[in-house]
Amino acid sequence: GDSVTQMEGPVTLSEEAFLTINCTYTATGYPSLFWYVQYPGEGLQLLLKATKADDKGSNKGFEATYRKETTSFHLEKGSVQVSDSAVYFCALSLSTSGTYKYIFGTGTRLKVLA
Amino acid sequence: DAGVIQSPRHEVTEMGQEVTLRCKPISGHDYLFWYRQTMMRGLELLIYFNNNVPIDDSGMPEDRFSAKMPNASFSTLKIQPSEPRDSAVYFCASSFSLNTIYFGEGSWLTVV
Repeated sequence: GDSVTQMEGPVTLSEEAFLTINCTYTATGYPSLFWYVQYPGEGLQLLLKATKADDKGSNKGFEATYRKETTSFHLEKGSVQVSDSAVYFCALSLSTSGTYKYIFGTGTRLKVLA
Repeated sequence: DAGVIQSPRHEVTEMGQEVTLRCKPISGHDYLFWYRQTMMRGLELLIYFNNNVPIDDSGMPEDRFSAKMPNASFSTLKIQPSEPRDSAVYFCASSFSLNTIYFGEGSWLTVV
């Protein structure tokens, strides 16, 4: 079935380090892909998205490219800050034959140390 | 826009009591979702509505849970009777035409 798989956390990095959080998906159709971020005590908020193959989503220094050939949507940032500490969720949305799915991964906790 | 508004933000109740969580989606959005988040299970979709009609409630854990959407600007999630294992953060979210989902800040429920 349709699914999203994220790398297990927590991920602990020093400030200014390079970040990669892996996300792969399985889908029967052509999904849109999303990264959401959840800061402590808050709801999830959209970080970036891509709606078709080879699209690159970007926001606040984060980037992710929709790779259809590898069914991946890895999140990257060149230099993380302490304020990036949060839980990151990869997600897909898919609508086929009138059936709607919006599937979230399990989340990856990122901790950035000063 | 004001975003998705949930109330109450925090609730502590005794086992057996009825709990009602409320949600006002973003104006113009045609989809509304109720999610539950716990450390053990992560983020779970409980139910979602399209144009006020429940479409998929397969995530509702049991008959103690019910959700309604009487109009486009209001939804409730009710737990009756509540149990300690219902303690979680409950998120309401809305979207327009299955695009980006916008989450509320959550209702933090503790059942003692």
